[in-house]
Amino acid sequence: GAVVSQHPSRVICKSGTSVKIECRSLDFQATTMFWYRQFPKQSLMLMATSNEGSKATYEQGVEKDKFLINHASLTLSTLTVTSAHPEDSSFYICSARVIGTPNEKLLFGSGTQLSVL
Amino acid sequence: GENVEQHPSTLSVQEGDSAVIKCTYSDSASNYFPWYKQELGKGPQLIIDIRSNVGEKKDQRIAVTLNKTAKHFSLHITETQPEDSAVYFCAASSSSNTGKLIFGQGTTLQVKP
Repeated sequence: GAVVSQHPSRVICKSGTSVKIECRSLDFQATTMFWYRQFPKQSLMLMATSNEGSKATYEQGVEKDKFLINHASLTLSTLTVTSAHPEDSSFYICSARVIGTPNEKLLFGSGTQLSVL
Repeated sequence: GENVEQHPSTLSVQEGDSAVIKCTYSDSASNYFPWYKQELGKGPQLIIDIRSNVGEKKDQRIAVTLNKTAKHFSLHITETQPEDSAVYFCAASSSSNTGKLIFGQGTTLQVKP
């Protein structure tokens, strides 16, 4: 069945380095993927919408130069946190829309816990 | 824009009892309302969803009801089990085609054995 696979599940990096997170759609194609951020004991906040073959759409307040999104194929979107700082530490989750009968649904990946030292 | 309010923030029930979580939304154009279960350190898992052309949907021990007039929807879990313990999120979308979900604040459900 349709699954959203996200890697890595956990990453620890030094301040100033860049980190790439991958989100793959398995057994389906995703023209649109979404990236969320979640702080401990809080809800999910949409960061950006990733569109295959075009530029991502960022939510208000999200720095597009800090969070680079690439959606180069119908099954892969990547989020790169550039020059990471401790305040970027968070749980990042991707999602993808599954189009089909009888209805569409949005599936989430397993998330990536980023810790910036 | 859309705003989703979810209550309660925490809920503790005895195993076998029922649990009800309620959400209200602000945008009358919203027409898709999924519920997700999230366990610690994992991504949200879709457990049930409902669209605005339906008032109620049931899947085994889980049911969701929707009142479009009042703009609120609820999750009902019957015969709760300890493995139901998790954080539950409701969400709303003005169109399932966008996939742009607005989430509620979450409810931490604890089922005591």
